[in-house]
Amino acid sequence: GAGVSQSPSNKVTEKGKDVELRCDPISGHTALYWYRQSLGQGLEFLIYFQGNSAPDKSGLPSDRFSAERTGGSVSTLTIQRTQQEDSAVYLCASSLATSGGAITDTQYFGPGTRLTVL
Amino acid sequence: AQRVTQPEKLLSVFKGAPVELKCNYSYSGSPELFWYVQYSRQRLQLLLRHISRESIKGFTADLNKGETSFHLKKPFAQEEDSAMYYCALRMWDNYGQNFVFGPGTRLSVLP
Repeated sequence: GAGVSQSPSNKVTEKGKDVELRCDPISGHTALYWYRQSLGQGLEFLIYFQGNSAPDKSGLPSDRFSAERTGGSVSTLTIQRTQQEDSAVYLCASSLATSGGAITDTQYFGPGTRLTVL
Repeated sequence: AQRVTQPEKLLSVFKGAPVELKCNYSYSGSPELFWYVQYSRQRLQLLLRHISRESIKGFTADLNKGETSFHLKKPFAQEEDSAMYYCALRMWDNYGQNFVFGPGTRLSVLP
């Protein structure tokens, strides 16, 4: 079946512009996760959604970052006034649920969006 | 603060040799540890988790709470094991879950 998809696959933007990254989870997956993978910081957990709700937004790097999920499906990660340090690969993952063992909370990752801020 | 360390950035072994990728963590609560793998030009994927106590692709990992370690081992490495390996810690608090990943170890299995 279809896996997690992300768009765009690549995004080049100028410093100060806003960008929106999209994640389409596997159908039926209630949990959705955002990560950032950068050269200097490794893999960094940003936020997760259980349904449309994000219990904890403290992992977002700054208040320029926001994320939402509607209809329990698609999620968007928005970065306002992009800075060069935002350049990274942004990964999305989804799972059936957030707990319950290997069958339900295994995360399936998307291909990522490579963001380059000039 | 919670941390996951993987001391080796790059580990090279010959095919058929044993391999051990080290992972240490610091966390005061009850840890949930995972190993993720990313093969060249493929997506990040879960390899194994300590709770399941499973062997996947010949790899095993045992959680040692005394040494706060979760090393990944395989007795006989194969060329197809060459990949980037990440150790990860999941934590739960009143707000939900959080993940901390190690910096990763690139395993290169030489013919």
